[in-house]
Amino acid sequence: GAGVSQSPSNKVTEKGKDVELRCDPISGHTALYWYRQSLGQGLEFLIYFQGNSAPDKSGLPSDRFSAERTGGSVSTLTIQRTQQEDSAVYLCASSEDTHQPQHFGDGTRLSIL
Amino acid sequence: AQSVTQLGSHVSVSEGALVLLRCNYSSSVPPYLFWYVQYPNQGLQLLLKYTSAATLVKGINGFEAEFKKSETSFHLTKPSAHMRDAAEYFCAVRPSGGSNYKLTFGKGTLLTVNP
Repeated sequence: GAGVSQSPSNKVTEKGKDVELRCDPISGHTALYWYRQSLGQGLEFLIYFQGNSAPDKSGLPSDRFSAERTGGSVSTLTIQRTQQEDSAVYLCASSEDTHQPQHFGDGTRLSIL
Repeated sequence: AQSVTQLGSHVSVSEGALVLLRCNYSSSVPPYLFWYVQYPNQGLQLLLKYTSAATLVKGINGFEAEFKKSETSFHLTKPSAHMRDAAEYFCAVRPSGGSNYKLTFGKGTLLTVNP
């Protein structure tokens, strides 16, 4: 069975541009999570979806960050007006429900020039 | 509030030697605990989990961990290291009740295995 799929695997963009990162969770997983992994901060929780709703957006660093999920499946994390401090690996995870372990994708490595 | 401390950002062992990666947690409610492994340019793979059943948990690739409430620890061990075990290992905690979805990770321990 397919695991969590993220695209692109790598993204290089100029400061000030907008970027979209995509996550395809494991089929049937109702819960979806975004994390950010950076050298200085380690692994940080960004946002959690249950179905298409995001009950917890507390980890989003600023209003430049937003995310949505459609059809209870694919999720997109959007970063507007990117800054150099946004450079990191963005990891997506999904689980059958919040009681089950989270399964991670390989991440999107984002580099802001 | 919950937190995880992994003692030692870098551990180096010889092939065939015991692997011991340390993890201590702080949690205001009984926690669930996890160990994940990350190979270069890959995501996190679940090694094992503690969810209030047996305190000695066996995982994949020959790893195991023991939950010790009195010591607030969940150390990861493997009797004999293989070259393929070289990776970064993350300990994570999650509350067992309430808003129990959010994983809090330690800073990670990079394991090097020498031939």
